[in-house]
Amino acid sequence: DGGITQSPKYLFRKEGQNVTLSCEQNLNHDAMYWYRQDPGQGLRLIYYSQIVNDFQKGDIAEGYSVSREKKESFPLTVTSAQKNPTAFYLCASRRADSTYNEQFFGPGTRLTVL
Amino acid sequence: EDQVTQSPEALRLQEGESSSLNCSYTVSGLRGLFWYRQDPGKGPEFLFTLYSAGEEKEKERLKATLTKKESFLHITAPKPEDSATYLCAVQGNLIQGAQKLVFGQGTRLTINP
Repeated sequence: DGGITQSPKYLFRKEGQNVTLSCEQNLNHDAMYWYRQDPGQGLRLIYYSQIVNDFQKGDIAEGYSVSREKKESFPLTVTSAQKNPTAFYLCASRRADSTYNEQFFGPGTRLTVL
Repeated sequence: EDQVTQSPEALRLQEGESSSLNCSYTVSGLRGLFWYRQDPGKGPEFLFTLYSAGEEKEKERLKATLTKKESFLHITAPKPEDSATYLCAVQGNLIQGAQKLVFGQGTRLTINP
């Protein structure tokens, strides 16, 4: 089955720690995205990548970092500089064909700071 | 700046009671309006894409419509399994070639049996 996987499902972080969230897709999609979801708010874009070895900051990139070494993978690191990291993190991907604009989402990772 | 506002924030219906969810938007050059369904603790599930005013799309008990300022998600004779949060998003003009979506805060729909 083609799809997007995220791991882990739940992640607990201590103050001052960096943690990395995994996102893998086997849809052969070119573009990948990371969003953050907080209660009562819309999804907010953290980083996105349209091709391998290239990525751009979204609206709330401070305290986060990404890499895109493979088409299938787009890991997100939440650094200790992110002041309020507790949230639900969603990874998405999209075909590069301009006819298809919709993004498809993974199951999410819930990060909690202890 | 592109903006999306969804109303109501929450809606509670009886099974079989039809209603509509609203998504109002302002965008510089609409390239697509998207509806998603999200169950608690899960990722959003894609439902529809609408590209131009007057367009309609249907899937089972759901029908999405689009005007130049808003979109409606009509739900006909809903069942308890239709309970979820429904998200609306828009894509405006490309920024440096990037297809970025702007999301509303969602409408939490509850269908009572």
